[in-house]
Amino acid sequence: AQSVTQLDSQVPVFEEAPVELRCNYSSSVSVYLFWYVQYPNQGLQLLLKYLSGSTLVESINGFEAEFNKSQTSFHLRKPSVHISDTAEYFCAVSEVIQGAQKLVFGQGTRLTINP
Amino acid sequence: DTAVSQTPKYLVTQMGNDKSIKCEQNLGHDTMYWYKQDSKKFLKIMFSYNNKELIINETVPNRFSPKSPDKAHLNLHINSLELGDSAVYFCASSQGSGPRNEQFFGPGTRLTVL
Repeated sequence: AQSVTQLDSQVPVFEEAPVELRCNYSSSVSVYLFWYVQYPNQGLQLLLKYLSGSTLVESINGFEAEFNKSQTSFHLRKPSVHISDTAEYFCAVSEVIQGAQKLVFGQGTRLTINP
Repeated sequence: DTAVSQTPKYLVTQMGNDKSIKCEQNLGHDTMYWYKQDSKKFLKIMFSYNNKELIINETVPNRFSPKSPDKAHLNLHINSLELGDSAVYFCASSQGSGPRNEQFFGPGTRLTVL
């Protein structure tokens, strides 16, 4: 079974500073990786995903993540954060179990933006 | 225009009671899921249904019984509630059950067992 490790449970940064949220996954032949964001008291929303092709993927709100096969990592970055980015971020790997998709999530990283 | 909705949003009950959480999606998806998020925010899949058929049951106690009356609904019934069942339960849906699919999540139901 696949697993995901998010190395930081909390990341506090100042507004307009850059941020990196780290994610490592267990190695597999085919890897499909996702970042989901959970704003306070809401459900999860897809931020971005890597399925194949270009190893750098971007979201519409300025986040990007790079798939690194040799380091089994999928770190999430943003060059300049905003107060509205305060949320819990989950990295997930997708696998197929009994013909169905199973998302395996990391422990989550709480991103707190300070003014 | 809610894509995935859950009711109720909050549920407070006593140990030993039976309760249900309802989930509906209006996205036309054929696959639905239940996840449990514990107090440390850790998310784990419980069940997956495809076209009303149970596909994944992740070693969940049989006190939990999902029911899918049609492709747009997946309800979760819990018997004999225990303190450890306190958590936030999320419903999700996707089109197809392949590994590349995006799952759409509901807002969650916070269950508190006293």
